Amino acid sequence: NAGVMQNPRHLVRRRGQEARLRCSPMKGHSHVYWYRQLPEEGLKFMVYLQKENIIDESGMPKERFSAEFPKEGPSILRIQQVVRGDSAAYFCASSSDLDTEAFFGQGTRLTVV
Amino acid sequence: QKEVEQDPGPLSVPEGAIVSLNCTYSNSAFQYFMWYRQYSRKGPELLMYTYSSGNKEDGRFTAQVDKSSKYISLFIRDSQPSDSATYLCASNAGGTSYGKLTFGQGTILTVHP
Repeated sequence: NAGVMQNPRHLVRRRGQEARLRCSPMKGHSHVYWYRQLPEEGLKFMVYLQKENIIDESGMPKERFSAEFPKEGPSILRIQQVVRGDSAAYFCASSSDLDTEAFFGQGTRLTVV
Repeated sequence: QKEVEQDPGPLSVPEGAIVSLNCTYSNSAFQYFMWYRQYSRKGPELLMYTYSSGNKEDGRFTAQVDKSSKYISLFIRDSQPSDSATYLCASNAGGTSYGKLTFGQGTILTVHP
């Protein structure tokens, strides 16, 4: 059973470009969570999604950031008009309806130049 | 005040030592407590998971929760160089927020031969 798959693993964007980060949850998992890890900081919750629904986006910046989890395909975290402060590791986690454990992917490291 | 406080270390111990990692939390709604291990440039992996106050043991690892003092601990016995990693404590309020975790800053542990 494959784990949580994130791609790309590394992403370089110039200031002002868009970044798209993808997350395929573990098989059978319908709950997806996105986290951001800034240098020297811990993981910070961003958003919680189920298929086609945003359940909790209390950790998302108000502007430029959006997330979706369509009926088919991976979850996408989109960052528009990236700035240097967006440089971080972005992690996705998934859980099933019955588990309380969240399993993390390997992360996407975004560098804005 | 952060909801979960963790001493970032770094902590350096000789092989075979007993390691004690600690966190405190302030949110009384937190019900579940986890310890994650994160190797450099990897995603966090779940080590231990507890719900109630008391101890939970798994091999060389013991997780301890004291809800009355809002204190979380992880003990590693007979530490090995392969235990060198960042250890993250995390909590959540359960219910519909199983994967919405609040993390401590992480403690960097080095076990030297």
